[in-house]
Amino acid sequence: DTAVSQTPKYLVTQMGNDKSIKCEQNLGHDTMYWYKQDSKKFLKIMFSYNNKELIINETVPNRFSPKSPDKAHLNLHINSLELGDSAVYFCASSFGGEGEQYFGPGTRLTVT
Amino acid sequence: GIQVEQSPPDLILQEGANSTLRCNFSDSVNNLQWFHQNPWGQLINLFYIPSGTKQNGRLSATTVATERYSLLYISSSQTTDSGVYFCAGPINQAGTALIFGKGTTLSVSS
Repeated sequence: DTAVSQTPKYLVTQMGNDKSIKCEQNLGHDTMYWYKQDSKKFLKIMFSYNNKELIINETVPNRFSPKSPDKAHLNLHINSLELGDSAVYFCASSFGGEGEQYFGPGTRLTVT
Repeated sequence: GIQVEQSPPDLILQEGANSTLRCNFSDSVNNLQWFHQNPWGQLINLFYIPSGTKQNGRLSATTVATERYSLLYISSSQTTDSGVYFCAGPINQAGTALIFGKGTTLSVSS
C-alpha cells in the first residue's frame, strides 16, 4: 500500500550506459515530479508533469527523458550516463502544483 | 522563483532539549512544506503550512506569510529526531514544483 514507489532502489552502472528509473503513485494525484539530490544533500527539481503533460524542465541535459504513460506513472530514462549523474533521484506527486507533495523512497544511482 | 534560506545549518542537541529551526523565503508563498530526511534517506512529510500554526505531537510549525518566514519547533528532542530538516516553497507563482532550502542538520545525542 506504498503511496509513491520507485524502482530500483539502488542502481550501479558504468559510464556510457542507458538506464531507467520507474515511479508509480497510488494517491490519485494528477501531478508528478522528479527531483535530484546531490552529494551535499541539495534537492533540486528536474521535471514536473501534470496530467501527463510536461510543465517544468529545469535545464536538465537532454540525456534525461521523462515519460508519463498515465497519471499514475512517471519514468525517467537516462542516456549515456556520466559520473556527474551519480545522485539520489526522488519521485514525488501532488494534487495540482500547489498541493502537498509526497515523495518516494529515492533511487541511489552510482555511475562508475 | 523564490529563494529559501534555512538556519541554522547545523544543530547539536542533548536528548530532551528544545529547538527552533527557521526558514525565510523571498516572496509570498501558497505552499510551504517541512520535511525530515532521516538517516536512511527517506523524506518524511512533517507539515504543509502556507500560513498559520500546526502541531503534531512534539513538533509544531508556524508560518507568518506576511513576514515571509516559517518556524519549526521540536520539543523534548529524541535521538530519532536526528537527520536533515528541509523547508520548501513553490518555485513560481503557479506552484508547479518545490524549491528547497539547504537544510538544517540536526544531531541529537543521548
